Amino acid sequence: GAGVSQTPSNKVTEKGKYVELRCDPISGHTALYWYRQSLGQGPEFLIYFQGTGAADDSGLPNDRFFAVRPEGSVSTLKIQRTERGDSAVYLCASSFQGVDTEAFFGQGTRLTVV
Amino acid sequence: LAKTTQPISMDSYEGQEVNITCSHNNIATNDYITWYQQFPSQGPRFIIQGYKTKVTNEVASLFIPADRKSSTLSLPRVSLSDTAVYYCLVGDIYNFNKFYFGSGTKLNVKP
Repeated sequence: GAGVSQTPSNKVTEKGKYVELRCDPISGHTALYWYRQSLGQGPEFLIYFQGTGAADDSGLPNDRFFAVRPEGSVSTLKIQRTERGDSAVYLCASSFQGVDTEAFFGQGTRLTVV
Repeated sequence: LAKTTQPISMDSYEGQEVNITCSHNNIATNDYITWYQQFPSQGPRFIIQGYKTKVTNEVASLFIPADRKSSTLSLPRVSLSDTAVYYCLVGDIYNFNKFYFGSGTKLNVKP
């Protein structure tokens, strides 16, 4: 596609449930990033993939959060046993080889945990 | 990790030039300065990047003094559609994952 695509755009889930958020990066971009953005705050880094491997997962808040990118393209952010504090917009970005800081962001997935 | 300080909000009127200054006192030698723009319900969008002196593109100009401890994003003749949050980021371009967004500057352009 022309840009970074994230699905779903909105997700409402009950506390304790498991959710998966999907990111389709720009074709050919080897670097992929996940961020979390709370209301009124800037994006907060979660995890960075270079190809299929997680090059930096230092931003994941705890072991309930996990992300994969098995074929070096699409990535899935997985959140287990969701909590109300996980409610936020989850943003995905991609860039070519992770060198050019013109990272391209998707529209985000708004996650609401009730 | 070079942190930045920028105003929380700014007001302007259509047609005016807007200058948003960012402080980054502990910028490292390899660090670049990058600005992103974010509209409501959208992801951030790259505006401009520079290392020193002045950089200009079709959207904005970026002024960086010799000591590089601050930078100024200049938006010429703003319109209502420039109302957004502007983030100043400082970091090594080979480590975008280390860039810190902070809370940004909320620019409100009035008619």
